[in-house]
Amino acid sequence: GENVEQHPSTLSVQEGDSAVIKCTYSDSASNYFPWYKQELGKRPQLIIDIRSNVGEKKDQRIAVTLNKTAKHFSLHITETQPEDSAVYFCAAKSFQKLVFGTGTRLLVSP
Amino acid sequence: EAGVAQSPRYKIIEKRQSVAFWCNPISGHATLYWYQQILGQGPKLLIQFQNNGVVDDSQLPKDRFSAERLKGVDSTLKIQPAKLEDSAVYLCASAQGAGGSTDTQYFGPGTRLTVL
Repeated sequence: GENVEQHPSTLSVQEGDSAVIKCTYSDSASNYFPWYKQELGKRPQLIIDIRSNVGEKKDQRIAVTLNKTAKHFSLHITETQPEDSAVYFCAAKSFQKLVFGTGTRLLVSP
Repeated sequence: EAGVAQSPRYKIIEKRQSVAFWCNPISGHATLYWYQQILGQGPKLLIQFQNNGVVDDSQLPKDRFSAERLKGVDSTLKIQPAKLEDSAVYLCASAQGAGGSTDTQYFGPGTRLTVL
């Protein structure tokens, strides 16, 4: 089955810096890659997603890139703000099943 | 639109007791998921329903966990008997279509279970 690895587990940045979170997946049949943000005690919320026929997608300060050959995808957050502090999960979907990474705790210091 | 609803939000039980969680998906969503999220980990799929049929329950510990979605809308997840390692947040999610690659999953607030 699919296996998703996510790095780093913790990321501390200063406000205004960029943050990058990387994920790799194992199943070449995976074709959908969402990113979720989870604040403490709250539900995971979809922030951006990318499908396998697209290499890059951007939404304001957030962008996701996908390299199908290397089976890795990344989340890029520019001009980070304290409210970006949360745990971010990547996921890969294969045959209707969504498999999540282990999460990255992002801390943005003012 | 209203989101995915879950209850209760918190539950504390002793090991070997039983517990049940309830989920009401977004109206019209055909696919419903139950996930287990252990502290510090990503959500892990327990079971997936499409309408009232089971699509995937390969990771559901069937000796103690059961789930149903009788009318293709609300769902309940039950644990009987509970073990200490069942302490986790149980998340329900729903998707509009048949759970295919284009379907976004929307999560409920979760039920935090503590087994003592």
